[in-house]
Amino acid sequence: EIVLTQSPATLSLSPGERATLSCRAGQSVSNYLAWYQQKPGQAPRLLIYDASKRATGIPTRFSGSGSGTDFTLTISSLEPEDFAVYYCQQRSIWPLTFGGGTKVEIK
Amino acid sequence: EVQLVESGGGLVKPGGSLRLSCAASGFTFSNAWMSWVRQAPGKGLEWVGRIKSKTDGGTTDYTAPVKGRFTVSRDDSKNTLYLQMNSLKTEDTAVYFCATHGEYGDFPDYWGQGTLVTVSS
Repeated sequence: EIVLTQSPATLSLSPGERATLSCRAGQSVSNYLAWYQQKPGQAPRLLIYDASKRATGIPTRFSGSGSGTDFTLTISSLEPEDFAVYYCQQRSIWPLTFGGGTKVEIK
Repeated sequence: EVQLVESGGGLVKPGGSLRLSCAASGFTFSNAWMSWVRQAPGKGLEWVGRIKSKTDGGTTDYTAPVKGRFTVSRDDSKNTLYLQMNSLKTEDTAVYFCATHGEYGDFPDYWGQGTLVTVSS
């Protein structure tokens, strides 16, 4: 099983600031990595797939980068609606796995 | 509009069984791979199982914690996905989401709202 480790666990920022979230895989997943956003009481929402491609309808302030074992999700300027928990997920091999999540909270 | 609506959650005793359903609409269900993903209270996301379309073999895959106890199935005539859960344990307590593997493959892009399963004596 591929373990995904996300850091930091919590990120305290103000609206308008830049957020940088990290996801590290225990072995290479090539570019088979996605990022999801989840708000309380809601289902996850796909933001980024294949490491750097935005899903349909996702604002351009969200961007992803990386390959192999190290990946980054960047939110260029935080909007009030961006405060949520973010998960990375790999599809390189079964079982599909998620990271433990990073909570982006209002400072 | 794609819709996934889960049902069947509730309170069950350890060792008991429960069957969840996920009613799908707004897309060609028979062509879609489908998954169940769960989230324990206050915790992260965990894959449970996946079923491929019949044209892709209709096979199922499970994660280790549920293998041998849970069964994913589908009824394409009813556009419905199922999760049969047997020998339930307290650690199976979670919100269970169904999700469809659409244009992004094994990165599900549509999810239901989830149904809560509580395993407690």
